[in-house]
Amino acid sequence: AQRVTQPEKLLSVFKGAPVELKCNYSYSGSPELFWYVQYSRQRLQLLLRHISRESIKGFTADLNKGETSFHLKKPFAQEEDSAMYYCALGSPSGNKLTFGGGTRVLVKP
Amino acid sequence: EAGVAQSPRYKIIEKRQSVAFWCNPISGHATLYWYQQILGQGPKLLIQFQNNGVVDDSQLPKDRFSAERLKGVDSTLKIQPAKLEDSAVYLCASSFAGADEQFFGPGTRLTVL
Repeated sequence: AQRVTQPEKLLSVFKGAPVELKCNYSYSGSPELFWYVQYSRQRLQLLLRHISRESIKGFTADLNKGETSFHLKKPFAQEEDSAMYYCALGSPSGNKLTFGGGTRVLVKP
Repeated sequence: EAGVAQSPRYKIIEKRQSVAFWCNPISGHATLYWYQQILGQGPKLLIQFQNNGVVDDSQLPKDRFSAERLKGVDSTLKIQPAKLEDSAVYLCASSFAGADEQFFGPGTRLTVL
């Protein structure tokens, strides 16, 4: 069964500090992993996906199959990064997404 | 391009009543999803359509929930009868094809009293 765990419900950091959001998954096959973000009063939207290997808005995420993790990192957090972040695991057949419980990030000035 | 549209945005009903939600996906998107997001949790997939056919409804409580996408465009999700535990945000999403990026609507917040 697919499962995604985000152990932190809330992360509070100061502007300019590094931020790391943890995501661990359980999946027997070859995973497709995503980070989605929801800013205040906006829709849930894709931030990045592991296969693209991009850095979006300064965020990066590395898939570690040995540790079954896909942690999201940003070296210097900005106030506009305050949002709800969800890690999601996609099925290979049709992008059925299993979401984690989410981590709220609060970047203080 | 216009995004995924959902209505209503908010709905308050009493338990045992019926309710329906509507979703219009992005034009040209063949795949449509309905998710349930309970407060404090991540979205949970209820049903996935490919055009007007159901791809996955394994997590849909079929004794009370139903969904249709008759013409392969817009979709309706119905709950009959509603229970207190159905209080949640119901999200609709669409993608061009099954493995593409999903675009989410604003959601419908349902409160069951």
